[in-house]
Amino acid sequence: EIVLTQSPGTLSLSPGERATLSCRASQSVSSSYLAWYQQKPGQAPRLLIYGASSRATGIPDRFSGSGSGTDFTLTISRLEPEDFAVYYCQQYGSSPVTFGQGTKLEIK
Amino acid sequence: EVQLVESGGGLVQPGRSLRLSCAASGFTFDDYAMHWVRQAPGKGLEWVSGISWNSGSIGYADSVKGRFTISRDNAKNSLYLQMNSLRAEDTALYYCAKAVTMIVRASIDYWGQGTLVTVSS
Repeated sequence: EIVLTQSPGTLSLSPGERATLSCRASQSVSSSYLAWYQQKPGQAPRLLIYGASSRATGIPDRFSGSGSGTDFTLTISRLEPEDFAVYYCQQYGSSPVTFGQGTKLEIK
Repeated sequence: EVQLVESGGGLVQPGRSLRLSCAASGFTFDDYAMHWVRQAPGKGLEWVSGISWNSGSIGYADSVKGRFTISRDNAKNSLYLQMNSLRAEDTALYYCAKAVTMIVRASIDYWGQGTLVTVSS
């Protein structure tokens, strides 16, 4: 099973700042089958990025994904108030599918 | 509009069984793989199981393998999760989720609101 480790566990930033979230895999993620999700309290997750770098429908371009192999990054170029949430990475290239433990992005 | 509505959750004793259902609408159900993902209270997301469009490919998390069975009925636009030998650690909100394509190895673009399963004596 591929273990995904996200860092940091909590990220404290202010609106307008740039956020960089990391997801490291215990082994290579095939074909960059890596997705990022955003989850707000009391809500279901929302797909942000798939295929490591492709934005899902309706996702603002301030969200971008990069990386390959074992190291992936989600970048939010300029934080808006609605971006403060928990973010999860997911690999779906190997069975079983696995999620990272999440990064909480909180307002500083 | 895509809608996924889960049902069947509740309070169950350890060792007992429960069957979750998910009613799908707003898309061509048999064109897409489906998943169950759970989230224990205050914890992160855990993938439970996935099934391809024609049930030809099925996968399970190690934590549920041999106890849970995923299935689908394309004629009824429904997804199911049969959960046997339930344990306290299975307590979670269970989400029904739609894959972006017909295979299990795909990201998830729609989620239901979840059904809560509590395993306790």
